Amino acid sequence: EPEVTQTPSHQVTQMGQEVILRCVPISNHLYFYWYRQILGQKVEFLVSFYNNEISEKSEIFDDQFSVERPDGSNFTLKIRSTKLEDSAMYFCASSDQKGNYGYTFGSGTRLTVV
Amino acid sequence: DQQVKQNSPSLSVQEGRISILNCDYTNSMFDYFLWYKKYPAEGPTFLISISSIKDKNEDGRFTVFLNKSAKHLSLHIVPSQPGDSAVYFCAASYSNSGYALNFGKGTSLLVTP
Repeated sequence: EPEVTQTPSHQVTQMGQEVILRCVPISNHLYFYWYRQILGQKVEFLVSFYNNEISEKSEIFDDQFSVERPDGSNFTLKIRSTKLEDSAMYFCASSDQKGNYGYTFGSGTRLTVV
Repeated sequence: DQQVKQNSPSLSVQEGRISILNCDYTNSMFDYFLWYKKYPAEGPTFLISISSIKDKNEDGRFTVFLNKSAKHLSLHIVPSQPGDSAVYFCAASYSNSGYALNFGKGTSLLVTP
């Protein structure tokens, strides 16, 4: 079964450093998403991406965050200057069509900011 | 703001019995609802969904019921199996919101033999 692949599975970074979280969506999917889950809290929407541009973003997704699809397969989330409160599990997801909310999630990257 | 609420953090059920997981929402604009299942060290996996034009959707052992007037939905698993032990997330969206899902905090289901 096709999978969404995320790397690394765990990233530790110092406060103020830049991090890039990587995702390989399912190959024929066109819609890409990032969500995060802070420990003990709900899964929160960050951003959606379609046709090489952001479709929607939440209030969490401020100027410190950016997304990119640098080639035909990767989808990245960059945090420019990490803060302690950015520590969370970050999930990438993809779907094949607009309105298909039953999209496929990756296993996540656990980001720890120290 | 918590627009999707799962008030039971955990639930324990015996194998073979029915598991009922509940979810409440506050935003009357929501018109699409989903349940995701999550195992440790994995991402959420889509389980079942329901549109607001329906009040019930069934897929094998899983049935989702929607009560729009009460802004409540529930997931029934019959019969429950030990492999169903996982965290279950309720999620909701509305057509004009674009692509975002609003998740609840999840309910941890334990099915005991």
